[in-house]
Amino acid sequence: DTEVTQTPKHLVMGMTNKKSLKCEQHMGHRAMYWYKQKAKKPPELMFVYSYEKLSINESVPSRFSPECPNSSLLNLHLHALQPEDSALYLCASSQIRWLGNTEAFFGQGTRLTVV
Amino acid sequence: KQEVTQIPAALSVPEGENLVLNCSFTDSAIYNLQWFRQDPGKGLTSLLLIQSSQREQTSGRLNASLDKSSGRSTLYIAASQPGDSATYLCAVSETSGSRLTFGEGTQLTVNP
Repeated sequence: DTEVTQTPKHLVMGMTNKKSLKCEQHMGHRAMYWYKQKAKKPPELMFVYSYEKLSINESVPSRFSPECPNSSLLNLHLHALQPEDSALYLCASSQIRWLGNTEAFFGQGTRLTVV
Repeated sequence: KQEVTQIPAALSVPEGENLVLNCSFTDSAIYNLQWFRQDPGKGLTSLLLIQSSQREQTSGRLNASLDKSSGRSTLYIAASQPGDSATYLCAVSETSGSRLTFGEGTQLTVNP
């Protein structure tokens, strides 16, 4: 099983709403990632969790709040977003090795629209 | 800071043609390189992974090569089909870290 599952697939939220994106994998991977992708652009790294601890935060605004409750789950909590935050949000996972990380697997993404 | 460049940005070919997509990176201290496929509005599908110690990997009609010292990788697609139409992204993984850096992608259209 090389599946990374993201829910919901689509989300429309107002600028005052609070919502959460969810990501789940059962490959035993200990690195999990959030990426943001705008149309016709490559994915941009937002956060990385290694062994359930936040290891990389790419200076993401605090209106995005990641959480890794266990080794299989990754959440992204959203609050007071702006219309420019509308994008495809991708979750990925990989295994951690001493010299680097193994093959990354991506979910199908959540298409977020902020109105 | 690692930078990844993909050439060409877009490519349109007739069905059956063999084609090559190019990827270059500025820092040769990579752990591995991955090629992905992305259909419009969808997630990324991993096509091939090449470890830094390897020279090439093959899967079906796809062959990826890696020249780490010169900072280059190519993805060769044989006998292209309309179903191959998608955006192809290469990404390099840093050593001793978790960062995966992507190129801008090549948008491929295979015409019937």
